[in-house]
Amino acid sequence: GDSVTQMEGPVTLSEEAFLTINCTYTATGYPSLFWYVQYPGEGLQLLLKATKADDKGSNKGFEATYRKETTSFHLEKGSVQVSDSAVYFCALSRIHQGAQKLVFGQGTRLTINP
Amino acid sequence: DSGVTQTPKHLITATGQRVTLRCSPRSGDLSVYWYQQSLDQGLQFLIQYYNGEERAKGNILERFSAQQFPDLHSELNLSSLELGDSALYFCASSGGLAGHTGELFFGEGSRLTVL
Repeated sequence: GDSVTQMEGPVTLSEEAFLTINCTYTATGYPSLFWYVQYPGEGLQLLLKATKADDKGSNKGFEATYRKETTSFHLEKGSVQVSDSAVYFCALSRIHQGAQKLVFGQGTRLTINP
Repeated sequence: DSGVTQTPKHLITATGQRVTLRCSPRSGDLSVYWYQQSLDQGLQFLIQYYNGEERAKGNILERFSAQQFPDLHSELNLSSLELGDSALYFCASSGGLAGHTGELFFGEGSRLTVL
């Protein structure tokens, strides 16, 4: 079945460091790929998305490229800030039997120290 | 603000009891999803409704049930509660069924503590 595997956390970095959170997926067909972010005490919110191979999603300085050949969607940011501290979830979505099916990875907790 | 409203925000109850969590989706959204987030932060998909009908079922226990009403709000009923049911329960909504971009809009969650 469909699955998403994320880099295990927690990840701790210093401010202005480079960030990569790895995400790989297994799915039939052509899923859409997402990164969601959960700030402390809040629900998840969409960070960025890509709907087809080679698409690059970007938002708030974060980027991820849909790589079909490696079934990956790694999240990157060139210079992280303390405010980026949160839990990050990689997810895929596809239509299965007429219904949207969304599968999340296990989440990666990121802490940025000043 | 995602536009998804969940009540109550916090709930403390005892083992063996029954609770109901309520979700109002974003205006115009027809699909409602329920997720359980445990302490280790993983998200477990429970169930999905579309326009009042159940469309997909995940790892939902038989002690749990849900429904979506004609006004599109949804309720998740948890009965015979156990300590292990303590978690954050999220509701999310989206606009359509097929041909949708896949983005979900999440509420802030209902934190259930079973003592």
